Amino acid sequence: DAGVIQSPRHEVTEMGQEVTLRCKPISGHDYLFWYRQTMMRGLELLIYFNNNVPIDDSGMPEDRFSAKMPNASFSTLKIQPSEPRDSAVYFCASSLGSRNQPQHFGDGTRLSIL
Amino acid sequence: DQQVKQNSPSLSVQEGRISILNCDYTNSMFDYFLWYKKYPAEGPTFLISISSIKDKNEDGRFTVFLNKSAKHLSLHIVPSQPGDSAVYFCAASARGYGGSQGNLIFGKGTKLSVKP
Repeated sequence: DAGVIQSPRHEVTEMGQEVTLRCKPISGHDYLFWYRQTMMRGLELLIYFNNNVPIDDSGMPEDRFSAKMPNASFSTLKIQPSEPRDSAVYFCASSLGSRNQPQHFGDGTRLSIL
Repeated sequence: DQQVKQNSPSLSVQEGRISILNCDYTNSMFDYFLWYKKYPAEGPTFLISISSIKDKNEDGRFTVFLNKSAKHLSLHIVPSQPGDSAVYFCAASARGYGGSQGNLIFGKGTKLSVKP
């Protein structure tokens, strides 16, 4: 079975550029999560979707961040404009059903903003 | 303010011995706890979980213990193997916290090294 697929694996770009991270969840999963991992703050939830609908975006740090899920098999996290402090590893995860089902993570996108 | 704390950034254990990873939490509303394992350049992988109605859950070499009165949980790995070397994250969630799904709040992780 294919796991959660994220692309790109690495992204290096200059400050001010738009960055788009992509995620394909596990087929059949109805929850999708975006996380950010930094040394200072660890793993933080940014936003999550249920059946393609955003449920909680309280973790999104600023209006520069936006996330969409146009269908059950694809989601994007966009940063526009990007800043050096956005440099982090961004993970996507998906799960099936209720809260007590474990989340399955992708391998992450390592983002570096110069 | 960290709601889930893993106070030991690293732990080194000899192969075959027991590894004990600890996690403390502050939010008494947390009722579901998980451990994830993470290898470099990979995403976290679910290891084991426990509901607050239990105080122990076992899966093979892995056992999680929950002490609600102390707001403490621990992961025991017996016997430890070199392949267990990874970063271990503790996570917790509370019903209704951050939406119906319940956000997972992660600790910052403990790096376990199992030496042959």
